[in-house]
This record gives sequence, structure tokens and C-alpha cells, in this order.
Amino acid sequence: DSGVTQTPKHLITATGQRVTLRCSPRSGDLSVYWYQQSLDQGLQFLIQYYNGEERAKGNILERFSAQQFPDLHSELNLSSLELGDSALYFCASSARGGSSYNEQFFGPGTRLTVL
Amino acid sequence: KNEVEQSPQNLTAQEGEFITINCSYSVGISALHWLQQHPGGGIVSLFMLSSGKKKHGRLIATINIQEKHSSLHITASHPRDSAVYICAVKGDSGAGSYQLTFGKGTKLSVIP
Repeated sequence: DSGVTQTPKHLITATGQRVTLRCSPRSGDLSVYWYQQSLDQGLQFLIQYYNGEERAKGNILERFSAQQFPDLHSELNLSSLELGDSALYFCASSARGGSSYNEQFFGPGTRLTVL
Repeated sequence: KNEVEQSPQNLTAQEGEFITINCSYSVGISALHWLQQHPGGGIVSLFMLSSGKKKHGRLIATINIQEKHSSLHITASHPRDSAVYICAVKGDSGAGSYQLTFGKGTKLSVIP
């Protein structure tokens, strides 16, 4: 158990809908990262938050947004869902993310299926 | 061309065999991760290294920064080692940005 929790584990929804994925980092970790893993693209970095602020953006679509709350949990919002958004979404956390890099610990993932 | 290349893509081994998975990257990095993903989907971080060699149980990871190459070795392989092994690198530019770039993974099957 990495200490990172994600809810829900599975999510099935229809095209055009909006969903919210939630991540709670390990206790004390300030950085949260979101990743998407699809069959054809593999793992891709979406976005990083550090202590409530956006720190880095990767291949995140404009239909997707994220935020990190004062209690450090994070939410990834996916809207106007398309079939191609079906994937595993992972959250990871690390201790800092300021001036030094620390190992990232991954949550169990949320499997999103868009029908 | 992917910045992170892994080989082989698929690997089948008999229980007890010594296994090597390779990772080559084309960018300057400050850290490299080896991750393990089981069939259920969960990802476990095995190693993070920036130089030299690390060992944990039957797993050994090495990195050669000059050659931009890392290897993951599994000694005395066991069926429970069956998983996808993923190499990921953190670039050395962009202070404050710690995004990882991933290889496509090596699927390992260890047969009893």
C-alpha cells in the first residue's frame, strides 16, 4: 500500500458526461501528479500540483482540469467525455516538488469507461 | 521517436532464470524510475536512481548516465514477478517541474 488513495476505483459513464476523480496523497506529501494510461498511448503525464498551485502541465486536454485543495487532496475533472477518454487514471504524490525531486508513489488508479 | 525506449517489449522466462530489461533514453535526466504494474493495474515504484546501482531483494537496477542507459535485473525469477515493468525518466530541465516521461513497458511472464 503506497498510502495514496483514489476514488472511485471504477467509473462507467456515457459520452458527453462529466466526472470527477479524487486523490488523497500520502500524509505529508505536498505534490500531486495525475497520469493517464490508455492502451494505445501508455502512461502520460497530465498535470502536477504543489501545495495547492499548478506546477507543471503535460498532455492535458482543455476539457480536463484539476485542482489541489488546502487539505492537499486533488480532483481531476473530465468533461464532455469521449470514447477515447476511456483509460486508467493514476494519481501519484511525492514529499516535496520544490527545489528537490523525490520519489513518486502511485495510487491504485481509477478505471474510466466511456460508453 | 519515443524519448524512452524499452527492450524487449515482451519477455517469457522459466522460473529461476536471470532476467534483464533494458531502458534507453535520449534526453538529459536527473532521475530514472523503474515501476512495476501488475495485471490488476496498480503501479509500484521499485527504484529511483540517478547514478550507479541499487539492489532490493532479487531486484537490481543500474544506470549509466554517459550511455543514457539503465537495466533492471531480476535474479531467480518467480511467477509472481510476472508484470509489466516500466521505465520512466525525469528530465533535468525545468526547475520545479517533476513530470515523468514513460517507456511503453516490458511485459514479463515467468512460467513455473
